[in-house]
Amino acid sequence: EAGVTQFPSHSVIEKGQTVTLRCDPISGHDNLYWYRRVMGKEIKFLLHFVKESKQDESGMPNNRFLAERTGGTYSTLKVQPAELEDSGVYFCASSQGSSYGYTFGSGTRLTVV
Amino acid sequence: AQSVTQPDIHITVSEGASLELRCNYSYGATPYLFWYVQSPGQGLQLLLKYFSGDTLVQGIKGFEAEFKRSQSSFNLRKPSVHWSDAAEYFCAVGSGGYNKLIFGAGTRLAVHP
Repeated sequence: EAGVTQFPSHSVIEKGQTVTLRCDPISGHDNLYWYRRVMGKEIKFLLHFVKESKQDESGMPNNRFLAERTGGTYSTLKVQPAELEDSGVYFCASSQGSSYGYTFGSGTRLTVV
Repeated sequence: AQSVTQPDIHITVSEGASLELRCNYSYGATPYLFWYVQSPGQGLQLLLKYFSGDTLVQGIKGFEAEFKRSQSSFNLRKPSVHWSDAAEYFCAVGSGGYNKLIFGAGTRLAVHP
């Protein structure tokens, strides 16, 4: 079984540019989560999809962040325009049913310069 | 508000020595508790979890954790550390609702030969 795949693994962009992160969950997993870890701090929840619907987006920092999950399969997280404080590691996770049985991806390290 | 504290940012132990990583949580109800590990270049891997029942939980890779309600703690232990255990360890609490996780800031473990 393929795991949760995230790409790119690393991205370096300039302040003001746009970046799109992608997450491919495990096939059949309805739940998809995005988390972020800013340098040295705790991993923080961003949002949760159930299939294609946003179930909880309380952790999204501001309207420069846009997450989509068209068709309930893969998800994208777009940052536009990127700011320096957006640098960090963005994790995606998926799970099946109403459980905490997450499988995490290896993350995308975003650096905004 | 729910929170997780990992007091030790960095710990160094010798190979073969015992290990205890501390975790304290703040949560109003009976918590769901987790320990994750992230090795370099890898995603977050679940080591163990506590939902209810026996307060001493066994996990993968020889790890165990003990839930102590009176101390609001869920410390991770291993009797004999291997060099391959060098990684970053995260404690988390499930916040109910949509299975959102609240993480601590992580403890980075270094293992001396």
